[in-house]
Amino acid sequence: DAGVIQSPRHEVTEMGQEVTLRCKPISGHNSLFWYRQTMMRGLELLIYFNNNVPIDDSGMPEDRFSAKMPNASFSTLKIQPSEPRDSAVYFCASSHGTSGTQSTQYFGPGTRLTVL
Amino acid sequence: AQKITQTQPGMFVQEKEAVTLDCTYDTSDPSYGLFWYKQPSSGEMIFLIYQGSYDQQNATEGRYSLNFQKARKSANLVISASQLGDSAMYFCAMRLNTGNQFYFGTGTSLTVIP
Repeated sequence: DAGVIQSPRHEVTEMGQEVTLRCKPISGHNSLFWYRQTMMRGLELLIYFNNNVPIDDSGMPEDRFSAKMPNASFSTLKIQPSEPRDSAVYFCASSHGTSGTQSTQYFGPGTRLTVL
Repeated sequence: AQKITQTQPGMFVQEKEAVTLDCTYDTSDPSYGLFWYKQPSSGEMIFLIYQGSYDQQNATEGRYSLNFQKARKSANLVISASQLGDSAMYFCAMRLNTGNQFYFGTGTSLTVIP
């Protein structure tokens, strides 16, 4: 079975540019999560969706960040405009359900973002 | 308030020996799940093992076992017969039944010495 797919794997951009990160969850999973990982702050939850609906976006740093999930098989995380402090690894994860072992989150390979 | 605590920033273990990675958690919710993930230097997050708060027995998955002590609120990961490929960061996480998000610890870096 295909795991969580993220693209691009690496992104280098200049400050002020728009960045779009993409995620395809595991087929049949109905929860999707976006995380950011840095050395300083560790792993932070940015936002998560249940059945394509955003449930908790309290971790989104500021208005420059937005996330969408137009259907069950695709989600985007957009940063506009990007800043050097946004440099991090961004992970997407999905889970089949919301209780017990079905709540196990499976992570994509991550997107390493560098903002110059 | 920090919900997951991993007090060991770094650990070393001799190849073929067993090692225990500590994790304590904080919640008053009676229903929760505990998870361990491995992050090798390549960066991916790999799910290892799950323990439910109502599970009577400690979870095991191959060389991984979870030493679950509910009264102490600890969920330590035990890796038996360490291999060089076990060298990685290990993260403990908790999910509460009041929501679907995970709370991650700060991780423990494990180095297996040949």
